[in-house]
Amino acid sequence: NAGVTQTPKFQVLKTGQSMTLQCAQDMNHEYMSWYRQDPGMGLRLIHYSVGAGITDQGEVPNGYNVSRSTTEDFPLRLLSAAPSQTSVYFCASSFSGLRTGELFFGEGSRLTVL
Amino acid sequence: KQEVTQIPAALSVPEGENLVLNCSFTDSAIYNLQWFRQDPGKGLTSLLLIQSSQREQTSGRLNASLDKSSGRSTLYIAASQPGDSATYLCAVSTGANSKLTFGKGITLSVRP
Repeated sequence: NAGVTQTPKFQVLKTGQSMTLQCAQDMNHEYMSWYRQDPGMGLRLIHYSVGAGITDQGEVPNGYNVSRSTTEDFPLRLLSAAPSQTSVYFCASSFSGLRTGELFFGEGSRLTVL
Repeated sequence: KQEVTQIPAALSVPEGENLVLNCSFTDSAIYNLQWFRQDPGKGLTSLLLIQSSQREQTSGRLNASLDKSSGRSTLYIAASQPGDSATYLCAVSTGANSKLTFGKGITLSVRP
């Protein structure tokens, strides 16, 4: 089982550049989400989706865009990268949502914005 | 607003010791609580999930308890091993959108 797969694992961007972090899961999970993890700040929710075609904002959505056209994929787009977006990004999914379900994480994507 | 606290931030113990990691939360209206393990440079791995109606869950040498009314959970690790060295995070699910709120984690070091 691949589980939750994130690509790329590492990325360096210049300020103002755009890019997409990819997330795919092969567990038929309805719920998918993106977090960023920063030292001293813990994990913060960026965007989440409860099913194909449905997305919503989390705690820190500014500067990020998402879409969910299939159950399997949930890409995160950085529209115009800023140094404050330097972080480790995690994609996570759950079969039945967070009221009952266990959350599965990818290995992370480490982004540096210069 | 839900807040999750894990104290201390770091813990070092000798191998073989039984230990307890604490997690506290401010809003007791939770759906569930999860304990995760994170190794350096890796993602989070779910260890135990306790639903709000449950008091505890066990997996191998791990036992997690939940006391909703007092806003506390503990993760008990029996006979600790160097391989248990990692950061342990707890997270609670609350609210209409079932938001997951994470603690900042406890970094555990088990000395051989």
